[in-house]
Amino acid sequence: EPEVTQTPSHQVTQMGQEVILRCVPISNHLYFYWYRQILGQKVEFLVSFYNNEISEKSEIFDDQFSVERPDGSNFTLKIRSTKLEDSAMYFCATLKTRLYNEQFFGPGTRLTVL
Amino acid sequence: GQNIDQPTEMTATEGAIVQINCTYQTSGFNGLFWYQQHAGEAPTFLSYNVLDGLEEKGRFSSFLSRSKGYSYLLLKELQMKDSASYLCAVRGHNAGNMLTFGGGTRLMVKP
Repeated sequence: EPEVTQTPSHQVTQMGQEVILRCVPISNHLYFYWYRQILGQKVEFLVSFYNNEISEKSEIFDDQFSVERPDGSNFTLKIRSTKLEDSAMYFCATLKTRLYNEQFFGPGTRLTVL
Repeated sequence: GQNIDQPTEMTATEGAIVQINCTYQTSGFNGLFWYQQHAGEAPTFLSYNVLDGLEEKGRFSSFLSRSKGYSYLLLKELQMKDSASYLCAVRGHNAGNMLTFGGGTRLMVKP
């Protein structure tokens, strides 16, 4: 069964450093998402991406964040200058089309900012 | 905006039935979802309701009342592997089809 993959599984970085989290969506899916989950808290929406542009973003997704689909397969989330409070699990999710309901989540990248 | 409430924790016995409630207030509604999340893992889709009523899928059923802003997830014949967090999420009328999640209900199944 096709699945969403994410790399790395765990990223440790120093405060102020840039990180790039990578996702490979399911191949025929058109909508891509990033969510995050701070330890012990709820899953929070960051951004949705469709047709090579951002379709929706939350208040969390400020100027420090950006997304890209550089090569038609990877979908990346970049955090320019990480803060301690960016430590969280970051999930990529994909949706086939708006006619479908199930968003498929990747296994997540645990980001630890020291 | 969206506000979604569900109990923080529940405990039930193996073989029993448990009902996890979710209430929501939203500025727009285009479906309610239940996801299961085991500790340290990704959420996995369980069910979707957009019309009032009960949707049954094996041991799991989900109910929706749009007028009351209320849903529940019913788990029958509980198994130890059902110990997990159950996340209620709402989709609004937005271009991105994003989901807004509640805080999740941690279910502990005891022998």
